[in-house]
Amino acid sequence: GAVVSQHPSWVICKSGTSVKIECRSLDFQATTMFWYRQFPKQSLMLMATSNEGSKATYEQGVEKDKFLINHASLTLSTLTVTSAHPEDSSFYICSARRRTSGVLSTDTQYFGPGTRLTVL
Amino acid sequence: QKEVEQNSGPLSVPEGAIASLNCTYSDRGSQSFFWYRQYSGKSPELIMFIYSNGDKEDGRFTAQLNKASQYVSLLIRDSQPSDSATYLCAVNTYSGAGSYQLTFGKGTKLSVIP
Repeated sequence: GAVVSQHPSWVICKSGTSVKIECRSLDFQATTMFWYRQFPKQSLMLMATSNEGSKATYEQGVEKDKFLINHASLTLSTLTVTSAHPEDSSFYICSARRRTSGVLSTDTQYFGPGTRLTVL
Repeated sequence: QKEVEQNSGPLSVPEGAIASLNCTYSDRGSQSFFWYRQYSGKSPELIMFIYSNGDKEDGRFTAQLNKASQYVSLLIRDSQPSDSATYLCAVNTYSGAGSYQLTFGKGTKLSVIP
C-alpha cells in the first residue's frame, strides 16, 4: 500500500512553454501533498505544501505565480511550471502524507517517482 | 531553525558487514522519525519510521531512537551492494498552524564494496 504516482516521468519542452505535472495517491487519501525539487547531487528542496481545497503554502524564495499548484481532491495535486526556462530544469518530486494513526505528528510521507524536466 | 544533521560520507563498508548511519536533530519536541533511501536519479523510498525510544527491527534494518540524546540511527545488517545509495534521515517537525512537515538531513552516501 501507500503508492504515489507521478505523470509524466520525464518531459522536454521549449523555453517559454508551460508544463503540468500530476501527482496521485493511488490507494489512500492524502491529508497533505508536498512538492519538492532536486538539482543534481543536491538535497531535496521543499517548494510548497498543498492541502485539498485550499491555497498552497510556498517556501521562501519559490515564486507562486511561476509554480502553480492545484489540489483538486484528496488524491490529486498538480504542479504547473509556467513560462519554463532552462534554469527550471530539475527533478520534481511530489510526496503525499498518509494518516497512520490518530496523531497528526506521526503521519508518514510517501514519495512519487519524480518527474525530470528539461527546458531547452 | 530546526535542523537535522547527518554525516555526508561517503561511508564504505564491505559486503556482509553492518552499516551504521547516524542522525541528530535539534527540535526536542519532534515525535516521529523516518529513514528514506534514495538511489541516484530516483526519488526517496521509505525504509522505516520510529516513534518510540529504543530499537525497531524490520528484516535487515534496525532503527534506533534516543529522544534524550536527540539521536536516531539506522543499522543495516549483512550489507549488500544493492544497499549502496544515499540514506536520508527525516524528522517530523511542527511548522505552525497545526501543521507538520518533514525536515531532512542532507543524507549519508553509503557504498557497499563487493
